[in-house]
Amino acid sequence: DTEVTQTPKHLVMGMTNKKSLKCEQHMGHRAMYWYKQKAKKPPELMFVYSYEKLSINESVPSRFSPECPNSSLLNLHLHALQPEDSALYLCASSQALLEKLFFGSGTQLSVL
Amino acid sequence: DAKTTQPNSMESNEEEPVHLPCNHSTISGTDYIHWYRQLPSQGPEYVIHGLTSNVNNRMASLAIAEDRKSSTLILHRATLRDAAVYYCILRDRGSSNTGKLIFGQGTTLQVKP
Repeated sequence: DTEVTQTPKHLVMGMTNKKSLKCEQHMGHRAMYWYKQKAKKPPELMFVYSYEKLSINESVPSRFSPECPNSSLLNLHLHALQPEDSALYLCASSQALLEKLFFGSGTQLSVL
Repeated sequence: DAKTTQPNSMESNEEEPVHLPCNHSTISGTDYIHWYRQLPSQGPEYVIHGLTSNVNNRMASLAIAEDRKSSTLILHRATLRDAAVYYCILRDRGSSNTGKLIFGQGTTLQVKP
């Protein structure tokens, strides 16, 4: 199994909603990542987890809250988002930091 | 982080070789050169990486200049499925060891039948 699975594939939420994005991998990878990608732009790194501990937070606003409950799962909790947060959210994993990344297909988020 | 410069777009004909250039004049001794590509409606996927020597795998070849200030990703026979955005990325494996993979603007490759 070389897949990174992200759910849901599409999400529409209002600015007062709370929602969560989920990411799962069963490759035994110990590093997991969240990226944000706006249309026609490159992915931007948001968070990096290594061995279930937050390793990097790229100054992401607190309305985005990551969580790594175990080595296979990565969540991104969303609260009070703004319309400009609408984007494709990509999850990735790697065997360890600095190893090659495997990406999921992303969650397309629309904030109304 | 050291930066890379790539052409915004390139065109190729199907079944012909494609050479995608990348300039990285400020590369440091501990920077590896990575290539990822992103097909439409998909997440990025790893293509190849190298440090100093040329590298080959089933997807592509990576040619690295002797001074390491530039590199070229070579697709030996382009297919329509190779149409994607190709990202050249420098990744520091030095003492910082932060795990960051930072994407630049990339090159959009069009493949014509």
